[in-house]
Amino acid sequence: DSGVTQTPKHLITATGQRVTLRCSPRSGDLSVYWYQQSLDQGLQFLIQYYNGEERAKGNILERFSAQQFPDLHSELNLSSLELGDSALYFCASSRPDGGGYTFGSGTRLTVV
Amino acid sequence: AQSVTQLGSHVSVSEGALVLLRCNYSSSVPPYLFWYVQYPNQGLQLLLKYTTGATLVKGINGFEAEFKKSETSFHLTKPSAHMSDAAEYFCAVRRTNFGNEKLTFGTGTRLTIIP
Repeated sequence: DSGVTQTPKHLITATGQRVTLRCSPRSGDLSVYWYQQSLDQGLQFLIQYYNGEERAKGNILERFSAQQFPDLHSELNLSSLELGDSALYFCASSRPDGGGYTFGSGTRLTVV
Repeated sequence: AQSVTQLGSHVSVSEGALVLLRCNYSSSVPPYLFWYVQYPNQGLQLLLKYTTGATLVKGINGFEAEFKKSETSFHLTKPSAHMSDAAEYFCAVRRTNFGNEKLTFGTGTRLTIIP
């Protein structure tokens, strides 16, 4: 157990639908990062939050949004889903000490 | 901007042989460098990291990597491969300045161990 919890582990939904992925960071970590992993795109950075505020934005589609709540958990919202959104979505957390990330085990999203 | 290039998307080695996974980085500022491992259907696990200080870094499971600034490289090695090392390995780089902790990952190298 890495200490980063992601739910759900698996999600199957239809095109056009909206889903919410949840992440609880490791205790004491203030930063949360979302990554998308697909076979053709590899690991793509989506967005970072630090202590409730958006810190950096990567290749995140306008149909996607995220937020970090006062208790530091984060949610990634994916809407108007397309087949191409099928991927593994990872959450990671870190402390501002120059170290690496701690990753969750991911949510596998399948859009049918 | 920083980037990472992993040479070889697939590497096969015999059990007991040397493992060498190559990573070259590009960064306009002194980088922090990382190697992560991903086993099937799992998240990424940190193997080792270089931030400052000693350029030879030892990680978990017998892996180590050496930061070579002159070659802009951070290759991952293990003297003797084990079957359990079969996985995908990712090199990553980030800037050192606070507020910009985004990790940029390479495309990964899938390591296969031949019995």
